[in-house]
Amino acid sequence: DTEVTQTPKHLVMGMTNKKSLKCEQHMGHRAMYWYKQKAKKPPELMFVYSYEKLSINESVPSRFSPECPNSSLLNLHLHALQPEDSALYLCASSQGVQGSGANVLTFGAGSRLTVL
Amino acid sequence: SQQGEEDPQALSIQEGENATMNCSYKTSINNLQWYRQNSGRGLVHLILIRSNEREKHSGRLRVTLDTSKKSSSLLITASRAADTASYFCATSPAGKLIFGQGTELSVKP
Repeated sequence: DTEVTQTPKHLVMGMTNKKSLKCEQHMGHRAMYWYKQKAKKPPELMFVYSYEKLSINESVPSRFSPECPNSSLLNLHLHALQPEDSALYLCASSQGVQGSGANVLTFGAGSRLTVL
Repeated sequence: SQQGEEDPQALSIQEGENATMNCSYKTSINNLQWYRQNSGRGLVHLILIRSNEREKHSGRLRVTLDTSKKSSSLLITASRAADTASYFCATSPAGKLIFGQGTELSVKP
């Protein structure tokens, strides 16, 4: 299995809702990532987990809460989002962890989030 | 913070022509990667070039790296309509993979 699977593909939520994005990989990768991408812009790094521990938080607002229940799963919990948080959220994984050299990322297809 | 700048921002060519995209970066690097993104989809890794390499080939892709100028280029030869996508360079300052602004390539049949 060489894929990163993200669910749901599309999500519409109100500003008072609580929802979660899920990501799964079975490649034995030790690092997992969340990126946010707005239209016509590059992906922006949000969080990095290395060996199931949060290693990088790029000053992301607390309304985004990541969770790594085990080495194959990564969640992004969403609460009290704003319309400007509408974007494509991309999960990725890599065999190597931060600082270990060349990290080639395998991306999922993304979850398109719309906040009303 | 932004690490890579790419030009052109958009490129439109005919099928069969070559496409060249350029990337400049700010800090020293150990390696540079190129990724492709089809519209609204995830990114796909294309090629990685290390700082001690000057050129690398993979099928119809040719990547060059000039560390003295802090720049890289991606050449796609004999382009196809299926090459239509956005292309991003990426570097790893402090171990984080950071993407350039990207080049939107359109290949017309």
